[in-house]
Amino acid sequence: GAVVSQHPSWVICKSGTSVKIECRSLDFQATTMFWYRQFPKQSLMLMATSNEGSKATYEQGVEKDKFLINHASLTLSTLTVTSAHPEDSSFYICSAQKIAGESYEQYFGPGTRLTVT
Amino acid sequence: GDSVTQMEGPVTLSEEAFLTINCTYTATGYPSLFWYVQYPGEGLQLLLKATKADDKGSNKGFEATYRKETTSFHLEKGSVQVSDSAVYFCALTLDGFQKLVFGTGTRLLVSP
Repeated sequence: GAVVSQHPSWVICKSGTSVKIECRSLDFQATTMFWYRQFPKQSLMLMATSNEGSKATYEQGVEKDKFLINHASLTLSTLTVTSAHPEDSSFYICSAQKIAGESYEQYFGPGTRLTVT
Repeated sequence: GDSVTQMEGPVTLSEEAFLTINCTYTATGYPSLFWYVQYPGEGLQLLLKATKADDKGSNKGFEATYRKETTSFHLEKGSVQVSDSAVYFCALTLDGFQKLVFGTGTRLLVSP
């Protein structure tokens, strides 16, 4: 199988604080992980591509200083929302890329709901 | 830019009904096309894919055909079950399965 977990599944924090979300590939190694954001009734928007051992690649319009990504090992990537504000409230989803020969497939975590009060 | 448009939901059907969820795309090149499914409380799972024109992806009774002339990849199933209730996402990628561009998702509700 290929299982990806996220922790926490939901979090409530106060405005101005920072929140860290973890994404783990449980039974495979992933050199590449992706972070998405999903607003209600809207599609998943790719925020950044996380590469193990190197800096993340951010999509246009995503503030890299606000959304810090660290991919420190082949099974773990973290997203830290710094100085969170209510507009950062959203559903954050990660995926991990599994490579088998010439086949690439992304496996998704269940998501983390962030509410900033 | 590249985009995916899919029909708004929810789609409500009775068990054993025929399902169609429309998906059209706009892309500058020749994308690969995907359908993902998200069951309640779970992550997105790849349902099926097609990598070139006229390919048909199929899985679990679902199928979709890559139609280049109409830039479409409609999802169909001949007889839905209650267990098919989920949110379905159409998506594309142009770079060998790296960056996925998703549609807004369509919720399917199947009643007994």
